[in-house]
Amino acid sequence: QVQLVESGGGVVQPGRSLRLSCAASGFTFNRYAMYWVRQAPGKGLEWVAVISYDGSVKKYADSVEGRFTISRDDSKNTLYLQMNSLRADDTAVYYCARDQREYSYGYPLPYWGQGTLVTVSS
Amino acid sequence: EVVMTQSPVTLSVSPGERATLSCRASQSVGTNLAWYQQKPGQAPRLLIYSASTRATGIPARFSGSGSGTEFTLTISSLQSEDFAVYYCQQYNNWPLTFGGGTKVEIK
Repeated sequence: QVQLVESGGGVVQPGRSLRLSCAASGFTFNRYAMYWVRQAPGKGLEWVAVISYDGSVKKYADSVEGRFTISRDDSKNTLYLQMNSLRADDTAVYYCARDQREYSYGYPLPYWGQGTLVTVSS
Repeated sequence: EVVMTQSPVTLSVSPGERATLSCRASQSVGTNLAWYQQKPGQAPRLLIYSASTRATGIPARFSGSGSGTEFTLTISSLQSEDFAVYYCQQYNNWPLTFGGGTKVEIK
């Protein structure tokens, strides 16, 4: 069965960096685009970033463009989110999710991890 | 950016009753619209995609309709496990955008 397990969250000071990881199993990782979606406490869902199945396409929300970098290591079946210059409004649960379709991107998200909480506070 | 607006914000419904949730897009998204259910402390779960297709394992009491800018999620007879927050999401344009959510609570 498909499993996505995020890690790397924690408390970090404003302006510092953090790297999130998402370990994937139960499917052929290098066939699917992967996403990060976040949810601030008590708020709705916000798409953060996507990386295509082959890593050739990366897209970001305006709110994180230039500060966050999405990447993948297919040899480790792992997705990453490097977060730099963190701000208080980046505080959220960060979910990784898998695209519905193979060899494509921009489709619904049928599989999600349990999320990892990032708190940006001094 | 396509703005997704959900209404109502909160819907109070008795078990066994019908619930109708609305989602409006600021511009046409065709049928590239998905619905998710989220319970407290859990990740979202995909219910509906392509505006009206149930995802794998989703009960038939959940149905979606609409196209263009107006969409509806209907839960025909609410079960106890259906009380949750529901989000619509468009995937027709980048950035992907979600609605603000509708909380379905017990009346």
